[in-house]
Amino acid sequence: EVQLVESGGGLVQPGGSLRLSCTASGFTFNTYDFHWVRQATGKGLEWVSAIGGGYDTYYAGSVTGRFTISRENAKNSVYLQMNSLTAEDTALYYCVREGNLNCVGYLCELDFWGQGTLVTVSS
Amino acid sequence: EIVLTQSPDFQSVTPKEKVTITCRASQTIGSSLHWYQQKPDQSPKLLIKYTSQSISGVPSRFSGSGSGTDFTLTIDSLEAEDAAAYYCLQSGSLPFTFGGGTKVEIK
Repeated sequence: EVQLVESGGGLVQPGGSLRLSCTASGFTFNTYDFHWVRQATGKGLEWVSAIGGGYDTYYAGSVTGRFTISRENAKNSVYLQMNSLTAEDTALYYCVREGNLNCVGYLCELDFWGQGTLVTVSS
Repeated sequence: EIVLTQSPDFQSVTPKEKVTITCRASQTIGSSLHWYQQKPDQSPKLLIKYTSQSISGVPSRFSGSGSGTDFTLTIDSLEAEDAAAYYCLQSGSLPFTFGGGTKVEIK
């Protein structure tokens, strides 16, 4: 069974930092790319960041320079280091797997989502 | 960045009615448009990939169509369990972007 389990969320003051973790199981981790997607309470989905199998990284403009995505294949884990947090970063953060079969071009659909970890930035 | 404009924002529908949700891209994305269903307090679930490809386990009343910049999700004969928010996602280029979502309520 495919599982993505996020952790590391919590309450942090503006300007603070958090490191989110996502541990995967049930599939061959190093053959997939991974993303972080966030959702503020009652709002829509916002793509945040992605990391490829070759450790290439991509970021939304709103987090560039503040967030860093990384992966550790030996631990089947993906991380999101978040610095200089603001209230606008308050959201549920989902770890999401990108599919890797029959893709069009070099990007695929996001096929499996974790349950999310809640980040609250407040004083 | 590709902007996805989804409509309507909200729809109140009677069971067995047909539901149509549209997603328009600000530039052509070929067939790289996917649809997700998110029920309250749950993670999004992939419904349709690459415009019209079905996903194992998803009821056949869900279908997708379109190409280029205009895409449609259709729910034939809505059931009570289909009450949810629906989102489109484009993977034509990075950054990935989502539509604003459509909330479907059962009358």
